[in-house]
Amino acid sequence: AQTVTQSQPEMSVQEAETVTLSCTYDTSESDYYLFWYKQPPSRQMILVIRQEAYKQQNATENRFSVNFQKAAKSFSLKISDSQLGDAAMYFCAYRSAYNNNDMRFGAGTRLTVKP
Amino acid sequence: GAVVSQHPSRVICKSGTSVKIECRSLDFQATTMFWYRQFPKQSLMLMATSNEGSKATYEQGVEKDKFLINHASLTLSTLTVTSAHPEDSSFYICSARPLRGEINEQFFGPGTRLTVL
Repeated sequence: AQTVTQSQPEMSVQEAETVTLSCTYDTSESDYYLFWYKQPPSRQMILVIRQEAYKQQNATENRFSVNFQKAAKSFSLKISDSQLGDAAMYFCAYRSAYNNNDMRFGAGTRLTVKP
Repeated sequence: GAVVSQHPSRVICKSGTSVKIECRSLDFQATTMFWYRQFPKQSLMLMATSNEGSKATYEQGVEKDKFLINHASLTLSTLTVTSAHPEDSSFYICSARPLRGEINEQFFGPGTRLTVL
C-alpha cells in the first residue's frame, strides 16, 4: 500500500521569508498524482498545488512551488514570500492513477508564520 | 469554483442517538463522494467511498452498519452515525469528485464536528 510521510510535525517561518515543507511517499506504481493541501483553522481543505507524476516539470502556483523528485519519491513544497495567511496545517497527498478513489494523506505539518 | 457544503457544521448529541450529516455539491454534479474522519491534530482517514445509486465501499476497519452512507443523487450524500458513542466524536469531512472535469479533481466540504456526550 502507498504511504505518505511528512517528517516535520511543525515548521515556522518569518514573514516574507521562504520555507520548504518535506514529503516523501512510497509506491510501486509508475503513474500517480501528488497534492499539497492547506487546512487553516477553519478546517476547510484547500488545494494548494498538484503534480502529475508523468510530468517532469515542477508545478508552480504563484508563491507556491514544488520540488518533485520521482526517483527519490520526494515531493517538497516551497512557499516564497511567506504571508501571515499561510499559517495552517499542510497535508501532502498521493493518489494512484489506477485507482482514483484512493487518496492517501500524510500526517501533516503545522506551519507558523511569525510577523 | 466548485463548492461543497456540509450540514450541520457542528453537532452535539447524547450517547446512543443517531446523527445524520449531509454533504452537498452546490454547483456541480458529483459521481463520487468520499467521507473522511479526522481526529484532533491528526490526518484525514478515508472512511468510505460512495457512488450515486450504489452501495458505498468502506475502508478496512470501518463498520458499515455504524456509519451508514447514502448517495441518493448526484449532489447529495449523507453519513449517519448510528448509536453514537463518545469515541465517535471527531471531525467528519466529505469530498466530492465532479461528474465532468479532470478526473483527479476532488473538492472538500468544510467539515462537521461531532461531539458525543
